[in-house]
Amino acid sequence: QMTQSPSSLSASVGDRVTITCQASLDINNSLNWYQQKPGKAPKLLIYDASKMETGVPSRFSGSGSGTDFTFTITSLQPEDIATYYCQQFNNLPPTFGGGTNVEIK
Amino acid sequence: QVQLVESGGGVVQPGRSLRLSCAASGFTFGSYGMHWVRQAPGKGLEWVAFISYDGSYKYYADSVKGRFSISRDKSKTTLYLQMDSLRAEDTALYYCAKDRVYSSGWYGPLEHWGQGTLVTVSS
Repeated sequence: QMTQSPSSLSASVGDRVTITCQASLDINNSLNWYQQKPGKAPKLLIYDASKMETGVPSRFSGSGSGTDFTFTITSLQPEDIATYYCQQFNNLPPTFGGGTNVEIK
Repeated sequence: QVQLVESGGGVVQPGRSLRLSCAASGFTFGSYGMHWVRQAPGKGLEWVAFISYDGSYKYYADSVKGRFSISRDKSKTTLYLQMDSLRAEDTALYYCAKDRVYSSGWYGPLEHWGQGTLVTVSS
């Protein structure tokens, strides 16, 4: 089970945004982060907890291992408005966190 | 480039069946595992099922185990989801997704997604 927080946040353009994801069991670094913009399919941003997918802006990053993980946007941009999901793939089933809805203040 | 195009969604009565398809192109279909993930209206993502590159491993969410069946046809480069005994709570947008891991019975990141097909279970 993946516990993601907060469920929603509102921040200003240029702010640093942090989302956390906690696993109920040790999942090593088997964690991914996805971005889903309104009306669109999810997009893989970060895999293996901290590896950036090709083409993803460097303002996005991930860290953590074991049970505690963090996703960071260093300088929030208007195009980052989306819902972000963590997902573990160490255990069966490969569960998603509940999502974090990011809005611009 | 990788393309995944889902089809087969629609409105169906509770207890009835539906089969979803996902036409894949732009990669060697027979070398990668595939997933189905669903999203109920206004809700988060729920993983549904995985099939390994060669079809020998299949895993299901508890919520669909015994009712849904995932399969693949290498010659048609198409993924399927047979959904039986449908319930109102199965109403969702169903996505197919390509796994990143090559030739494995386990799964990794879902690196490419289709646009989804909507299934509505209602009387």
